[in-house]
Parts: sequence; structure tokens; C-alpha cells
Amino acid sequence: QKEVEQNSGPLSVPEGAIASLNCTYSDRGSQSFFWYRQYSGKSPELIMFIYSNGDKEDGRFTAQLNKASQYVSLLIRDSQPSDSATYLCAVKTSGSRLTFGEGTQLTVNP
Amino acid sequence: GAVVSQHPSWVICKSGTSVKIECRSLDFQATTMFWYRQFPKQSLMLMATSNEGSKATYEQGVEKDKFLINHASLTLSTLTVTSAHPEDSSFYICSARETPYNEQFFGPGTRLTVL
Repeated sequence: QKEVEQNSGPLSVPEGAIASLNCTYSDRGSQSFFWYRQYSGKSPELIMFIYSNGDKEDGRFTAQLNKASQYVSLLIRDSQPSDSATYLCAVKTSGSRLTFGEGTQLTVNP
Repeated sequence: GAVVSQHPSWVICKSGTSVKIECRSLDFQATTMFWYRQFPKQSLMLMATSNEGSKATYEQGVEKDKFLINHASLTLSTLTVTSAHPEDSSFYICSARETPYNEQFFGPGTRLTVL
């Protein structure tokens, strides 16, 4: 079992729709969770982090964490073509390192 | 805030030469820096973790004598790829974090091509 699992996609949504990206992790002791966006040929960019169970909202983005289910998700409301990218889920496991999922490729169609 | 720069952004070198990549935190003190490698259409692979003033901790399978990492100050870490070969061609990305925060901020990456 991978430490951090994501559906590779591609996930395709129409412009204006809600995009839902999911991630599960195996280490029940994990405390910090991050979502990064990576455009093709570019480095990852931090868009959200969440530490507590529940929802955390930032603009069009909402991160959801359920530690009992070892599940973290990212919702993107009013999706725009510029949101088309690969979304990486990262979990802080041991020490200071992050463990990344393989990423979910999102395409928002105009 | 939380800006990380890398230099150079791309480099082409001949097989057998060494290449140095710099990673700088511009507006915070990077107590820990990380070096990743990413091949096309693959996820990030952590190569090593370095704390300022300490030796880097390398991930399993990463040759420390080939990938030399120096983290001599709170704003600068360098990765030197020694005796580079075509299979070392990749996208090298650094990230940095400031104690006690958990967030890592990435540099823009360096694309290395070894001929």
C-alpha cells in the first residue's frame, strides 16, 4: 500500500463546476496535510494546508480532512481553465519530510 | 512572502562534468531544505534533506558522493551533480521550510540536460 494515494485521473470538469480531488494516507499518526498545484513544466505551488478535522476554506478552494477515515480532499468551486494542472497531495509523516502522492491531473474545459 | 529561488533555471552540460545548482530562500530563514528530482510525467522523488550546518540525509538509493549537498547558511543550499551522465538529466527542485512551520515552499526548479 502506498503511503499517499491519489487517483491519477485525468479528471475533467466543465468550467464553472466543482472539481473534487481525493487523497488517502496510510500513516494514522500523520498530522499535517498539504495540497500543491503543479503546472506542466513548473515546480509545485502550495495552495492549501490543513491540520484539523473538518473543512478549511480559502477563496474558491476548500480542504477537507477526516483523520478517522485517513482521507483528505480538495474542492475547487467555480473551476476555471486556469485551474487545469496536476494536484499533489502531501502528508507530513516522519521528521520534516513530506510524502507526496502521484498527483491527479485536472482539466477544466471551457 | 515565502519565496524560494533557484539558479540556474536550466543548464546543458557535457557528460563527465559537474554542475552546481543553488537554492535560496529570499524572505525567510530556511532551517531545512529539501532536494527533489522529477522525471517527465512522474511524481516528485525526494533525494535528500538538509538542515543548516549539518550533513544532508540522503534517501535510500541516492548516491551521496554523486549528489553533493551543502547547506552552509539559513538562506542557501547547493546541490552539485558530480560527473554527470545523460541518465542524470532531470528536473531538480528544491524546497525550504522554516522552523517551526510545516509548510514547504518550492523553488522554480532547474532543468538539467546532460549530453
